Amino acid sequence: SAVISQKPSRDICQRGTSLTIQCQVDSQVTMMFWYRQQPGQSLTLIATANQGSEATYESGFVIDKFPISRPNLTFSTLTVSNMSPEDSSIYLCSVERLAGTGELFFGEGSRLTVL
Amino acid sequence: AQSVAQPEDQVNVAEGNPLTVKCTYSVSGNPYLFWYVQYPNRGLQFLLKYITGDNLVKGSYGFEAEFNKSQTSFHLKKPSALVSDSALYFCAVRTPTPNTGFQKLVFGTGTRLLVSP
Repeated sequence: SAVISQKPSRDICQRGTSLTIQCQVDSQVTMMFWYRQQPGQSLTLIATANQGSEATYESGFVIDKFPISRPNLTFSTLTVSNMSPEDSSIYLCSVERLAGTGELFFGEGSRLTVL
Repeated sequence: AQSVAQPEDQVNVAEGNPLTVKCTYSVSGNPYLFWYVQYPNRGLQFLLKYITGDNLVKGSYGFEAEFNKSQTSFHLKKPSALVSDSALYFCAVRTPTPNTGFQKLVFGTGTRLLVSP
């Protein structure tokens, strides 16, 4: 099983600022997934991060707002740029247990509150 | 587009009683269906999945789910609920991401299970 560490676990941010969330996995994985869970809502996939290539963003999410880095097979960052209160959410990093199975391991999430 | 629906925001059950958390799906082709659980202040954990084969799938913590093709349902069940089962449960379906070949999970809206002592 994979162990996923996310930092920060929570933060309170001011409108207009940016915050970078880090995700560290204890084993090498091909793809990492970033999800958003807005208050009282389900999970929505933001983007898929494949090492060595540009992240693939889902409809409604753009690179300028959510730039992602994937420098190696165990690490990724998601930046939430120019934050507004609507960005207040839990951001979750995940990886597949075994490639192609759809079984995901999730980090414990980063809870962001934007004032 | 592939999707799942969870019609109940919350399910209440007494400890020791059987529980059911409902999920219906809408997919083209063969569905790949999943259940995940989120305990308070924790990330999601995989419970079980249906790919093919036996319609009754067994998973972690004594949970099982029944795939019903005629009713397009994939309800989560447990014969005897525990207070510690209280959590948020998500149904999900695997779907391809256009132009990438990746498979992604699309989650339902979640159902909060509350098991009372």
